[in-house]
Amino acid sequence: DIQMTQSPSTLSVSVGDRVTITCRASQSISSWLAWYQQKPGKAPKLLIYKASSLQSGVPSRFSGSGSGTEFTLTISSLQPDDFATYYCQQYNSYSVTFGGGTKVEIK
Amino acid sequence: QVQLVESGGGVVQPGRSLRLSCAASGFTFSNYGVHWVRQAPGRGLEWVAALSDGGGIKTYADSVKGRFTIFRDNSKSTLFLQMNSLRGEDTAVYFCAKELRPEVAFDIWGQGTVVTVSS
Repeated sequence: DIQMTQSPSTLSVSVGDRVTITCRASQSISSWLAWYQQKPGKAPKLLIYKASSLQSGVPSRFSGSGSGTEFTLTISSLQPDDFATYYCQQYNSYSVTFGGGTKVEIK
Repeated sequence: QVQLVESGGGVVQPGRSLRLSCAASGFTFSNYGVHWVRQAPGRGLEWVAALSDGGGIKTYADSVKGRFTIFRDNSKSTLFLQMNSLRGEDTAVYFCAKELRPEVAFDIWGQGTVVTVSS
């Protein structure tokens, strides 16, 4: 099984900060990677698919990059609505796996 | 609008069974692969099972293999998860999710249904 490792697990930031979250795969997954945002008590929301494609309706301050085993989610200027937990997910095979999550909290 | 609505959660004793349902609307259900994802209290997301659009491909997480069965009724636009031999570690919110074809990323999620396994 492909393991996904996210870092950091927690990020304390301020509104307006640039935020970078990293996700590493235990083996190459090409560009088969998605990013999600989840708020407490809610279902996850798809932000990015195929490593760098922005899902319809998602603000352009969110971007994704990477291929192979190293991937990054960047929020260019953090907004109040962006405080949440973020997950990566690989879909190199039909047995997908999620990263452990990164909680973005207010500094 | 496009939506998924789960039902069937509840409190069940260890070793017993439960069947979850996920009703789809607003899209052609039979054209999409669908998945179950769960989240234990205070924990991250864990993928549980997948079923391709035609039903020909089924995959399961090792943690549920042999105990859970995913199946669908395309005539009723409904996805199911039959959960047998339930354990305490199966306690979680269970979400169904639709693939963003052709990507196996999930663009539509249900609101979740809570399963609690406890004596």
